[in-house]
Amino acid sequence: DTEVTQTPKHLVMGMTNKKSLKCEQHMGHRAMYWYKQKAKKPPELMFVYSYEKLSINESVPSRFSPECPNSSLLNLHLHALQPEDSALYLCASSQGETGGFGEKLFFGSGTQLSVL
Amino acid sequence: GNSVTQMEGPVTLSEEAFLTINCTYTATGYPSLFWYVQYPGEGLQLLLKATKADDKGSNKGFEATYRKETTSFHLEKGSVQVSDSAVYFCAPVNFNKFYFGSGTKLNVKP
Repeated sequence: DTEVTQTPKHLVMGMTNKKSLKCEQHMGHRAMYWYKQKAKKPPELMFVYSYEKLSINESVPSRFSPECPNSSLLNLHLHALQPEDSALYLCASSQGETGGFGEKLFFGSGTQLSVL
Repeated sequence: GNSVTQMEGPVTLSEEAFLTINCTYTATGYPSLFWYVQYPGEGLQLLLKATKADDKGSNKGFEATYRKETTSFHLEKGSVQVSDSAVYFCAPVNFNKFYFGSGTKLNVKP
């Protein structure tokens, strides 16, 4: 299994709603990531979990709350979002620490989020 | 921190034409360098990578060479196909941080 699975594929929510995005991988990867991608823009890093601990938060507003219940799962809890938060949210994983070791990211297909 | 400059698109080519997409970067230390491709409606997929200077990454006819002296990682393909139409992202990586370039959209016409 070399997939990163994201659910739901599409989500429409109001500004007062609470919703969650889910991401799952069974490759034994120990690093997981959330990215946000606006239309015709590159993915922007939001959060990185390494060995189930939050290691990077790119100054993301608190209305986005990540959670890593175990090494295979990554959630993104959403509350009181704004219309400008509408975007494609991508989850990714890597075997371990990236960079000098050349670890690659495996991406899910994303959740297309619309905030009304 | 890292930053990437990619050539602006869209790039429109006829099938079998030669492709170059330029990428230059600034980064601390010695990053690994990646090219990712995104097909419509999908997440990103690794296309190729290089982990040290003068390494050449290659996959599906695409190539890129890690040029430390010019801090570049230009993507090339000798003969593009319609199925190569996608958005291509360059990314230098270190310490768990992937920062993607702005992306270059490639349109290949039959």
